[in-house]
Amino acid sequence: GAVVSQHPSWVICKSGTSVKIECRSLDFQATTMFWYRQFPKQSLMLMATSNEGSKATYEQGVEKDKFLINHASLTLSTLTVTSAHPEDSSFYICSARAWTSGDSYEQYFGPGTRLTVT
Amino acid sequence: GQNIDQPTEMTATEGAIVQINCTYQTSGFNGLFWYQQHAGEAPTFLSYNVLDGLEEKGRFSSFLSRSKGYSYLLLKELQMKDSASYLCAVMDSNYQLIWGAGTKLIIKP
Repeated sequence: GAVVSQHPSWVICKSGTSVKIECRSLDFQATTMFWYRQFPKQSLMLMATSNEGSKATYEQGVEKDKFLINHASLTLSTLTVTSAHPEDSSFYICSARAWTSGDSYEQYFGPGTRLTVT
Repeated sequence: GQNIDQPTEMTATEGAIVQINCTYQTSGFNGLFWYQQHAGEAPTFLSYNVLDGLEEKGRFSSFLSRSKGYSYLLLKELQMKDSASYLCAVMDSNYQLIWGAGTKLIIKP
């Protein structure tokens, strides 16, 4: 099956610093990647959708200047949390979608990145 | 608005059968997904239904009724490792996934 990796798997940073999270599709080309945030005991919250080579589409309430998304290639998307604050501490998960004839609509999830801002 | 409803928590016994229901109201429908998520991990795909009826995959089955806006996930021969959250998600007319809050399933020996 399709594999999506995320790096790092966990990160601790100080308030005010920036953190970059990478999401890679390892064995397929991802035309669309999604970034989610999940707080404890809550469901996934879609932050933004990115298509390769174009600007990301952010969900309402998500600050695009704070959460910078770059989808430079068909296998890599990055999320940069700028000027992180403790309230940004969360579990960040990416997923990738590949348009294939077999399972066009399935999203493949990365293992997630746990961010703790102190 | 768009809405996905599923029970917050369910408890079942090892070896038994449990059914997790999901009802939805969305703008358009392009399929319904069930995902399993263990604590601290990302969701893993379980099933996809786009036509009415039952899809069986080993111990797990998923049912869909589009006219009723209803789905269920059926887990048979429950094992302790099935303790997890089960997320129902519907793909709307924009091919975006709308997520339910998840059902935490607790398996007791």
